[in-house]
Amino acid sequence: NAGVTQTPKFQVLKTGQSMTLQCAQDMNHEYMSWYRQDPGMGLRLIHYSVGAGITDQGEVPNGYNVSRSTTEDFPLRLLSAAPSQTSVYFCASSYFWKAYNSPLHFGNGTRLTVT
Amino acid sequence: AQTVTQSQPEMSVQEAETVTLSCTYDTSESDYYLFWYKQPPSRQMILVIRQEAYKQQNATENRFSVNFQKAAKSFSLKISDSQLGDAAMYFCAYQDSGGGADGLTFGKGTHLIIQP
Repeated sequence: NAGVTQTPKFQVLKTGQSMTLQCAQDMNHEYMSWYRQDPGMGLRLIHYSVGAGITDQGEVPNGYNVSRSTTEDFPLRLLSAAPSQTSVYFCASSYFWKAYNSPLHFGNGTRLTVT
Repeated sequence: AQTVTQSQPEMSVQEAETVTLSCTYDTSESDYYLFWYKQPPSRQMILVIRQEAYKQQNATENRFSVNFQKAAKSFSLKISDSQLGDAAMYFCAYQDSGGGADGLTFGKGTHLIIQP
């Protein structure tokens, strides 16, 4: 099993450019989520999805869009990148959205720099 | 909103010794989940230990154990017999046990250094 796969691992964007961070899981998990990690901060939830066709906002959703057309994929779109979006982005998935009985599986992260 | 506070940005311990990482949280809920995650330099997030609030017994996983004090809203992690491989960032995290599907709330992390 590949687990949770994030691509790319690194990306540099110019302000105003758009891009999509890819996240795919092969564990048939219903729940998927995106977090960002900034220096000196813990992870903060951007968006999440409890199943195909269903998405919702987390703590810091501004500037990001998501969609969930399949169970396996949960891409994160930056429509117009800003320097404040420089961060490390993590995708995580689990069978169920309560992490105690259904531990989160994290991808290895994407380091994004916006200049 | 719930908050998670880790008051120790960095801790250092000699190999083979015991170290305790602190975590406090704020919530009005009576049942919830608490976690400790480890993030080594590889960036991978690894679940270390978890605790459900209504369970009085402190969770233990091999060399890792917690001291859960519900009234004090405290959830510290004790690492016994520290090893070089324990060097990492450690994050405390909280999640409501209710019906909402929003994710975990993380603390800012503690950087653990293991001195050989």
